[in-house]
Amino acid sequence: QVQLQESGPGLVEPSETLSLTCSVSGGSVSSANYYWNWIRQPPGKGLEWIGKIDYSGSTDYNPSLKSRVTISLDTSTNQFSLKLNSVTAADTAVYFCARDGVSGLAYFYPWGQGTLVTVSS
Amino acid sequence: EIVLTQSPDLQSVTPKEKVTITCRASQSIGGSLHWYQQKPNQSPKLLIKYASQSFSGVPSRFSGSGSGTDFTLTINSLEAEDAATYYCHQSYAFPRTFGQGTKVEIK
Repeated sequence: QVQLQESGPGLVEPSETLSLTCSVSGGSVSSANYYWNWIRQPPGKGLEWIGKIDYSGSTDYNPSLKSRVTISLDTSTNQFSLKLNSVTAADTAVYFCARDGVSGLAYFYPWGQGTLVTVSS
Repeated sequence: EIVLTQSPDLQSVTPKEKVTITCRASQSIGGSLHWYQQKPNQSPKLLIKYASQSFSGVPSRFSGSGSGTDFTLTINSLEAEDAATYYCHQSYAFPRTFGQGTKVEIK
């Protein structure tokens, strides 16, 4: 079955760029039926959708983060990535990658295990 | 942006009790509403898709209902392992949004 795994630095300095990668196994990021998402969860708080990318590279972002976010796809490595620039302490969170899809498949499954990113000097 | 409001924020219940969590959308979303369970230090797990469809492998005590703006997650005969935070999520429109979560505690 499809599995997702996040990777990247656990500590980022304020004003720098947070960069994470999600590796996909058991399925292809080139599938036309699925979208590849980033979701985050600040410590002790709820879930916030960051954005998604599809097989063609088309993206949608949360308007609250749109000016700072870039999601990209690498079909050669079967990965997708998140970049969030100009980070502050408010960006400290567990970052999850998750798959959803086209109508009828538009729910988040599966999820990665999540990776904690702390913004601090 | 579609706002999802869950109630209650916290529910403290005894084992075998029935639990009802509601999720209200700020506009009609048809049946594009999904429910997740999250335990501490774990990623969310899909329980119910499209308001009422049970996801594979989910115990039958979990069920969902509703359409339009009002949705309900029901846990019949709560078990100790059901202690968790539950979230609703809408896929009707972008940006995707979640409810604020409902924490279910075992008395």
